[in-house]
Amino acid sequence: AQTVTQSQPEMSVQEAETVTLSCTYDTSESDYYLFWYKQPPSRQMILVIRQEAYKQQNATENRFSVNFQKAAKSFSLKISDSQLGDAAMYFCAYRSRAQKLVFGQGTRLTINP
Amino acid sequence: GAVVSQHPSWVICKSGTSVKIECRSLDFQATTMFWYRQFPKQSLMLMATSNEGSKATYEQGVEKDKFLINHASLTLSTLTVTSAHPEDSSFYICSARGNPSTDTQYFGPGTRLTVL
Repeated sequence: AQTVTQSQPEMSVQEAETVTLSCTYDTSESDYYLFWYKQPPSRQMILVIRQEAYKQQNATENRFSVNFQKAAKSFSLKISDSQLGDAAMYFCAYRSRAQKLVFGQGTRLTINP
Repeated sequence: GAVVSQHPSWVICKSGTSVKIECRSLDFQATTMFWYRQFPKQSLMLMATSNEGSKATYEQGVEKDKFLINHASLTLSTLTVTSAHPEDSSFYICSARGNPSTDTQYFGPGTRLTVL
């Protein structure tokens, strides 16, 4: 069965600095998707970024970018120029085609002003 | 991104009563909807998956007679917690997906259920 591991339960960063959240996964599939979701205090799950495994280029969305290492099964999220509104739980998730999402345990990110 | 609504956002009920939670995809047709439960400071736990017009598939350990799921249309799914008890108190989140092979899952804002 596929598993997703987020080894950092909590992270903190100074406002305007850069922070990287780690995620590793285990799968025998070659075709799959990876996601980072953000859950702020409102508890609404928000899609941050998505990566298709067949794409070698790392996905980027404004201040958010990923480092996708397929051979190493690693999918880290980099947040540049951290803002107070970035404070949230961040969940890494994996999905093979037409299958259910598998979530990691989450990383709580605190932004220090 | 696509919008998923959920109603109510919070509900308090007495033990033994039933509670229905609605999940709607507002701007896309959801071929598949998912229901999750989230305990404080934990990740999301998948309860069941439903495809429009079909019976829901429940995860191991989830009582299908306790948590009734109906996915009657491509934009609406409902979760009914029957004969609710205090241990059913939790945060319930629905999620919807269009194309099963490629589309991203979008999440509703969640429903906080408190059973007295």
